[in-house]
Amino acid sequence: DAGVIQSPRHEVTEMGQEVTLRCKPISGHNSLFWYRQTMMRGLELLIYFNNNVPIDDSGMPEDRFSAKMPNASFSTLKIQPSEPRDSAVYFCASSRGQGGYGYTFGSGTRLTVV
Amino acid sequence: TQLLEQSPQFLSIQEGENLTVYCNSSSVFSSLQWYRQEPGEGPVLLVTVVTGGEVKKLKRLTFQFGDARKDSSLHITAAQPGDTGLYLCSGGGGSNYKLTFGKGTLLTVNP
Repeated sequence: DAGVIQSPRHEVTEMGQEVTLRCKPISGHNSLFWYRQTMMRGLELLIYFNNNVPIDDSGMPEDRFSAKMPNASFSTLKIQPSEPRDSAVYFCASSRGQGGYGYTFGSGTRLTVV
Repeated sequence: TQLLEQSPQFLSIQEGENLTVYCNSSSVFSSLQWYRQEPGEGPVLLVTVVTGGEVKKLKRLTFQFGDARKDSSLHITAAQPGDTGLYLCSGGGGSNYKLTFGKGTLLTVNP
């Protein structure tokens, strides 16, 4: 099993540009999570999908953030327009069931907005 | 709001020493997880505990869930440099997808 695959690993962009982060969950996992990690705030849940349907997007900071899951093997997190305060490491994670017993995380995308 | 407090925040020890890190809350959790995160990587799930008082061992790592299911500890025996990393705990409400994460203990094991 290749695990949860995220791309790109690093992204540097200028303020105001659109950024798209990509995630391929583990085959057979029906829950997908997007998290953001910073030193100050730790891991924050942004959005949760179950069976490709967004269930909880209450953690999405503002309308500049959007996420999609068009099928069971692919999800995107888009920031438009990006701002310097969006700089963080973004993780995708997947699990069987609803994830209440732990997730498998990807390696993350380190986003820097200058 | 459920919170998980981890202590200590930072720990630096010499190879061969033993250590214990803690994860505490005022809330009851149906399950509790421990992860290790290495620099530049995502957290890797080490263990899930679900029963109050449960003890699980993973080689030199011993995990214990408190009797009241509000706290947990991770004990490492004879630490090695390969144990270096950020140790995160998270708590779940059983079928509840939303895990609460602590901010972690950053462990450095010096050769």
